[in-house]
Amino acid sequence: DVKVTQSSRYLVKRTGEKVFLECVQDMDHENMFWYRQDPGLGLRLIYFSYDVKMKEKGDIPEGYSVSREKKERFSLILESASTNQTSMYLCASSLSGGIIRGEQYFGPGTRLTVT
Amino acid sequence: AQSVTQLDSQVPVFEEAPVELRCNYSSSVSVYLFWYVQYPNQGLQLLLKYLSGSTLVKGINGFEAEFNKSQTSFHLRKPSVHISDTAEYFCAVSLSGGYNKLIFGAGTRLAVHP
Repeated sequence: DVKVTQSSRYLVKRTGEKVFLECVQDMDHENMFWYRQDPGLGLRLIYFSYDVKMKEKGDIPEGYSVSREKKERFSLILESASTNQTSMYLCASSLSGGIIRGEQYFGPGTRLTVT
Repeated sequence: AQSVTQLDSQVPVFEEAPVELRCNYSSSVSVYLFWYVQYPNQGLQLLLKYLSGSTLVKGINGFEAEFNKSQTSFHLRKPSVHISDTAEYFCAVSLSGGYNKLIFGAGTRLAVHP
């Protein structure tokens, strides 16, 4: 079974803090994704990575950065957390090679509260 | 640009009743379509997907969906729901091109009552 794990289920941070959200997958997937989930908005893509050290902006990258130093690990960084970044953050991974192989597998999510 | 509209934000239904969750998409190119389910306090899990071929797609837990190209719809159905089907359901469309990116609808919360 594909396993995508996220470092924390719940996180509370103060405004202005630097926040790291970690995601690890154990199936040697090339692609990894970070989404933000908000009520009434569904999931919105923040960043994705298709290879080590490679990244692409998604639909809402402002205020976020990412790091992928190893294939299995994809980190989301909030350089200076703000209250409007309070949300559920979901990580996902998939194989490359087209949509036939590219089902995305999701982690359990990290609920971040910024006070 | 592709977009996904889920027409109902909440659907209440009694146990053993049929249910339909509606999804419409907009796209100028061929699409691949997905339904994901999110149980309380969990990540998303794939229910079913349409890639090509038969327009009626069967998924896990007794769910099925029908791809209708002329109406640009991909509605999810189950003939008889259980309490355990209570969850949030997301319709998604893949972007053409690489990297298997998905665009999600806003979600439909299905509440099954005894």
